[in-house]
Amino acid sequence: GAVVSQHPSWVICKSGTSVKIECRSLDFQATTMFWYRQFPKQSLMLMATSNEGSKATYEQGVEKDKFLINHASLTLSTLTVTSAHPEDSSFYICSARDTGGDKAFFGQGTRLTVV
Amino acid sequence: KQEVTQIPAALSVPEGENLVLNCSFTDSAIYNLQWFRQDPGKGLTSLLLIQSSQREQTSGRLNASLDKSSGRSTLYIAASQPGDSATYLCAVPTGVGTYKYIFGTGTRLKVLA
Repeated sequence: GAVVSQHPSWVICKSGTSVKIECRSLDFQATTMFWYRQFPKQSLMLMATSNEGSKATYEQGVEKDKFLINHASLTLSTLTVTSAHPEDSSFYICSARDTGGDKAFFGQGTRLTVV
Repeated sequence: KQEVTQIPAALSVPEGENLVLNCSFTDSAIYNLQWFRQDPGKGLTSLLLIQSSQREQTSGRLNASLDKSSGRSTLYIAASQPGDSATYLCAVPTGVGTYKYIFGTGTRLKVLA
């Protein structure tokens, strides 16, 4: 089956620094990828839609200048959390829509802890 | 605005029991519904996807049903096993032709050996 790989799987960073998370579709092309955030004991909330070759679209309440998204190729989207603060600590999951199919596949997630 | 709710929030059962997880959605104009499994600290594994034209889907010990008119879906797990312990999420697309999902609140299942 289709595989979406996220890297890193976990990261600890100091408050004020920036962290980049990668989302790769390993065996299919994805013109569209999605980034979700999951706080402890809560469900996933969509943050933004990443479009290859164009700007990402953000959900209401998500700061685009804080969560920078780049989708430079058909297999890679990156989410950069800029000037991270402890309240940004969360589980970030991406999904990628198989351009040639009718499903979206999810990555294994990245646990971000800001100290 | 679509809202997705799951009941119960948590469930603990002895091994071997058959069980039902419930998912409710407020806007019946969905074009599919998907059930996922999430293990602690991990991503999502898709279990079953039901198109709006379907009433149920089956995969092994799992059976998912969909009743759009009442805004409900159920996930039936037969002969539960400790390996089934996980959080189960249902999700519906935010609109026609989109792969953005609204997720339910999840049911945390623990199957005791």
